[in-house]
Amino acid sequence: QQKVQQSPESLTVSEGAMASLNCTFSDGTSNNFRWYRQHSAKGLEVLVSIFSDGEKEEGRFTAHLNRANLHVSLHIREPQPSDSAVYLCAVSMNSGSWQLIFGSGTQLTVMP
Amino acid sequence: AQTIHQWPVAEIKAVGSPLSLGCTIKGKSSPNLYWYWQATGGTLQQLFYSITVGQVESVVQLNLSASRPKDDQFILSTEKLLLSHSGFYLCAWTSTGVEVFFGKGTRLTVV
Repeated sequence: QQKVQQSPESLTVSEGAMASLNCTFSDGTSNNFRWYRQHSAKGLEVLVSIFSDGEKEEGRFTAHLNRANLHVSLHIREPQPSDSAVYLCAVSMNSGSWQLIFGSGTQLTVMP
Repeated sequence: AQTIHQWPVAEIKAVGSPLSLGCTIKGKSSPNLYWYWQATGGTLQQLFYSITVGQVESVVQLNLSASRPKDDQFILSTEKLLLSHSGFYLCAWTSTGVEVFFGKGTRLTVV
């Protein structure tokens, strides 16, 4: 059973400083990896999807995937107070149903 | 373009009362459909998935049931709500697993 863990649980950064979030998973055969953002238990906003080892950039959001280390990270460049939210890592497994396994999230607070 | 619609947006229900949450996908035939649940402050958990009409698989037991009466419709229900059913419910669909599309969710408060 795939397990997804995120760290830190919460992170406070100053506006403009780089924010780095981490996600580890237990099964390296996973198909793809996503980072979502969730404001106050509302719907999910997909930020970055990454399928291969290396780096994927979407605007100010960059994901790094290292399957060998069972690790995927998210870096947020020049964060703004409006980026304050819960960030969720999700790992996709094709077990016949394309199951998404979520981590418990990192609460990011960006101080002005 | 494909759209996903969840209803209702929010519900306040009494313990022991019935519940029905709905999800409709337009513009895509034969999608894989999913129900997710998130307790307040908790992790998003997949509850059910459906690959085809009439077939639903349970992933987590929460005294809830799901049905897929039509290709584009996914229903989550129970006859008797528990306090522990409170939380945020999300419907999602995918066809390839490459992109997963989520609805805007339903906030359920059981009192």
